Amino acid sequence: EDKVVQSPLSLVVHEGDTVTLNCSYEVTNFRSLLWYKQEKKAPTFLFMLTSSGIEKKSGRLSSILDKKELFSILNITATQTGDSAIYLCATFTGTASKLTFGTGTRLQVTL
Amino acid sequence: NAGVMQNPRHLVRRRGQEARLRCSPMKGHSHVYWYRQLPEEGLKFMVYLQKENIIDESGMPKERFSAEFPKEGPSILRIQQVVRGDSAAYFCASSPGHYYEQYFGPGTRLTVT
Repeated sequence: EDKVVQSPLSLVVHEGDTVTLNCSYEVTNFRSLLWYKQEKKAPTFLFMLTSSGIEKKSGRLSSILDKKELFSILNITATQTGDSAIYLCATFTGTASKLTFGTGTRLQVTL
Repeated sequence: NAGVMQNPRHLVRRRGQEARLRCSPMKGHSHVYWYRQLPEEGLKFMVYLQKENIIDESGMPKERFSAEFPKEGPSILRIQQVVRGDSAAYFCASSPGHYYEQYFGPGTRLTVT
């Protein structure tokens, strides 16, 4: 069965800290890995990673994929209270473009 | 460019009633996906549709649940004879094609009393 595992489950940091969120996967016919941010509404798309070793960056967020070791990390530098959310990792699996999600990492950024 | 639209945002149904959830994809997107999020759980795939076709319904419960995406109009997720265990947030996502990033709507929170 396809599996996506995220760690840690939850994390509390102070504003200004740097955090690293982890996502490992065991899936058949891996194609891409996606990161989403979920506040109290729709998951918001952050990154899609297909190739190993190529960092994707958007402002203070960055992510990289390791297809040999089957994991990805999401880094957030200089965290702000607005970064507080659940961060979801997902992969395309199988022959249809459905996403398999991890259970998420709940990040809380305090003042 | 409007995002993915879902309605209603909140829906309350008594046990045994029917629930109809609607999803209008982003402009230019012809692929629609439905996911369910139970309390304290991750998003689980239910069904993948293109216009007038169900492509993958491997995540749909075998009974009471159905989905459609007609040639005109929104995609509909229909739950017949709802039970308490159907209470969840139902999210719709759309994409312009296979294996593209999916954009999510705000969800419909279904409560069965």
